[in-house]
Amino acid sequence: EAEVAQSPRYKITEKSQAVAFWCDPISGHATLYWYRQILGQGPELLVQFQDESVVDDSQLPKDRFSAERLKGVDSTLKIQPAELGDSAMYLCASSLIVGTTDTQYFGPGTRLTVL
Amino acid sequence: EDQVTQSPEALRLQEGESSSLNCSYTVSGLRGLFWYRQDPGKGPEFLFTLYSAGEEKEKERLKATLTKKESFLHITAPKPEDSATYLCAVQAWDSNYQLIWGAGTKLIIKP
Repeated sequence: EAEVAQSPRYKITEKSQAVAFWCDPISGHATLYWYRQILGQGPELLVQFQDESVVDDSQLPKDRFSAERLKGVDSTLKIQPAELGDSAMYLCASSLIVGTTDTQYFGPGTRLTVL
Repeated sequence: EDQVTQSPEALRLQEGESSSLNCSYTVSGLRGLFWYRQDPGKGPEFLFTLYSAGEEKEKERLKATLTKKESFLHITAPKPEDSATYLCAVQAWDSNYQLIWGAGTKLIIKP
């Protein structure tokens, strides 16, 4: 069964350091999402890609966060510099729009702890 | 403003004790309502999509239903392995397929 891959699974870093997360979507899925999830809350969308283009990054803190999907396949989310408040689960999801149907499938996530 | 509210926040049941989780929503035009299961430290796992009022879907001990204002996730004779957080999300027609998420219901099934 095809799955969304993410790495690393866990990341511990110190405040002001740079961190990067990688996501490989399900093969053939043109749409890719990065979410941030704080414990006890639903996921919060950070950025949405359609192929290599950004569809929506209105909730991405652009002073420190960046995301790219250069060849329209895998994607990287970067934080520089990391702050204490960035500690959260970072989730990647992908989807294949068929007609009006779109189901997002999630990877295992990256748990980030900023010390 | 589009909004999703889930209740209760947490639910403790004995094994075999059936119950329901609620997801109420306000959205300009509903394209679909999604249910996901999330285990601690993992990403959400897709369960169901519902598109129109009156629709029902089942999977093992779970059944999801939809009205014009809310959805229920019914769990029948639950087992400890059903313990998880259940997330509800809605997708509006004018949303670029983005999801509006509820905060989830944490379900604990005691043996």
